[in-house]
Amino acid sequence: QVQLQQWGAGLVKPSETLSLTCAVYGGSLRNYNWNWIRQSPGKGLEWIGEINYSGYIQQNLSLKSRVTMSIDTSKNQFSLKLSSVTAADTAIYYCARGRQTVGYDPWGQGTLVTVSS
Amino acid sequence: DIQMTQSPSSLSASVGDRVTITCRAGQTISSYLIWYQQKPGQAPQLLIYTASILKSGVPSRFSGSGSGTDFTLTISSLQPEDSATYYCQQTYRSPFNFGQGTRLEI
Repeated sequence: QVQLQQWGAGLVKPSETLSLTCAVYGGSLRNYNWNWIRQSPGKGLEWIGEINYSGYIQQNLSLKSRVTMSIDTSKNQFSLKLSSVTAADTAIYYCARGRQTVGYDPWGQGTLVTVSS
Repeated sequence: DIQMTQSPSSLSASVGDRVTITCRAGQTISSYLIWYQQKPGQAPQLLIYTASILKSGVPSRFSGSGSGTDFTLTISSLQPEDSATYYCQQTYRSPFNFGQGTRLEI
């Protein structure tokens, strides 16, 4: 059974860069897309972007190219960086495995990232 | 971008009731529609994919239907554990937007 475990700094200062990593256990990075989604406090879900095994990336342009995603196939991990953060980027960030026809499953446990000085 | 609109935003129902949640896409998305259930403090959980296929292990009281722009999630006989927020998501075209959610109180 595939499990995702994510980690990263829970407190980031305004204008700095948020950094998160998600490790995949019990499965390969091949044949799936690896996604980042966030949820602001008390709000709905926002898709940030996805990366596949080959490094092909699709991302939500609403984040104005502040997003950098990478994948490390040797470690079975993928990562997210979000630059120039503001308080509006405060959210729970999730990683998730996905495919177009079968949706996102499983999800990581979520990381609350607070942007504050 | 394809906007996803759910209705209602919230509803209250009783154990044993039949409940339907609607999701409308701003343009056709074929059957690339996913339903998730999220309980407080937890990550969303996949319920239904490709509009109508139940994920293995999900109770059969959940069902999905629709194609094109209009979709529904139906819970045939509500149970207390179904109290949650439900989200639809389109996976037809990037950005893969979610609906705003429907909060179901039992």
